[in-house]
Amino acid sequence: SAVISQKPSRDICQRGTSLTIQCQVDSQVTMMFWYRQQPGQSLTLIATANQGSEATYESGFVIDKFPISRPNLTFSTLTVSNMSPEDSSIYLCSVLEPERSYEQYFGPGTRLTVT
Amino acid sequence: RKEVEQDPGPFNVPEGATVAFNCTYSNSASQSFFWYRQDCRKEPKLLMSVYSSGNEDGRFTAQLNRASQYISLLIRDSKLSDSATYLCVVNTGSNSGYALNFGKGTSLLVTP
Repeated sequence: SAVISQKPSRDICQRGTSLTIQCQVDSQVTMMFWYRQQPGQSLTLIATANQGSEATYESGFVIDKFPISRPNLTFSTLTVSNMSPEDSSIYLCSVLEPERSYEQYFGPGTRLTVT
Repeated sequence: RKEVEQDPGPFNVPEGATVAFNCTYSNSASQSFFWYRQDCRKEPKLLMSVYSSGNEDGRFTAQLNRASQYISLLIRDSKLSDSATYLCVVNTGSNSGYALNFGKGTSLLVTP
């Protein structure tokens, strides 16, 4: 399976600022996703990162708040803009391997705390 | 009704015990099914896919019941290292599409 890394692994940020999270995959993958996992909750899909085009956002998430880049098949970034304490969460990058019956693999996550 | 529902637990079992988790899903057109394991403060990791005929991987057995729309995970001979949260995941995408829905997870604590 693909090996996924994320940077930073954690950060503490002040409200009103923005943070960009990077996701790097060791192989070319077609489908990449960004999830959020708030304390005690399950994973919520933020968006699908599309290579060469705008990301596809899920209900409740907008591009102005969570801009995403996907310049190639191995890299993506998620920015959390104008942060508030409600954005404190773990943000996870993941990739999908359709040829393996849609098995999905996750990066180690970025733990964000907004003060 | 939520797409994927699990008993949150926690399930506290002694080492060596057998424990089973169930998960129900609401979309009858769901295509594929998975169990993930998530350790505290770590990312989810794929434990096993769930096939229509059921499948076994060592001490772990997964079953799918499409008629009743539930999947199960059985863990035999529990180890202390099995303590984790187990996430039921259902792909509800249609026409070879993709839409993963995650349950909130079932917590398992295996005690000495």
